Amino acid sequence: DSGVTQTPKHLITATGQRVTLRCSPRSGDLSVYWYQQSLDQGLQFLIQYYNGEERAKGNILERFSAQQFPDLHSELNLSSLELGDSALYFCASKDDRGAGNTIYFGEGSWLTVV
Amino acid sequence: DAKTTQPPSMDCAEGRAANLPCNHSTISGNEYVYWYRQIHSQGPQYIIHGLKNNETNEMASLIITEDRKSSTLILPHATLRDTAVYYCIVHSGYALNFGKGTSLLVTP
Repeated sequence: DSGVTQTPKHLITATGQRVTLRCSPRSGDLSVYWYQQSLDQGLQFLIQYYNGEERAKGNILERFSAQQFPDLHSELNLSSLELGDSALYFCASKDDRGAGNTIYFGEGSWLTVV
Repeated sequence: DAKTTQPPSMDCAEGRAANLPCNHSTISGNEYVYWYRQIHSQGPQYIIHGLKNNETNEMASLIITEDRKSSTLILPHATLRDTAVYYCIVHSGYALNFGKGTSLLVTP
């Protein structure tokens, strides 16, 4: 158990809909990362938040957005869903207050768009 | 982050050591070498990391060459549960960028 909690574990929704994925980082970790893993793309970095502020952006679509709240949990919002958005979405967290700190991943949220 | 090169797949007999190589010839001085593994769609699991010295923990050993241009992850006594995709990542502090990794198959 990495200490990173993601909900829901599985989600099935229709095209055009909007969903929210939730992540609780490890206790005390200030950074939260979101990754997408689809069959043909591998693990793709989407976005990072540090202590409530966006810190780095990867291959995140404009239809997707994220935020990190004062209690450090984070949400990834996916809107106008398309079939190609079906994927595993991972959240990860890191202490981020020193060099060489480790990023720990949750077990992911499976999203199926039908 | 520096790019890494790993073989796409490897086999190892159960109980033997699994030695997974990684090339990272463009690594810079402040970049760490991290190893993660992913077992069949579970969340990536941290294994070990190092800067320039060899490292060992309860899961594995990491050998980094003196010029830091390559490294080897060693699983000393591989078990069937070590079958996974292993990712070598050179990381300087922001997001981890995963490549395709090495798919390790441990056979009985």
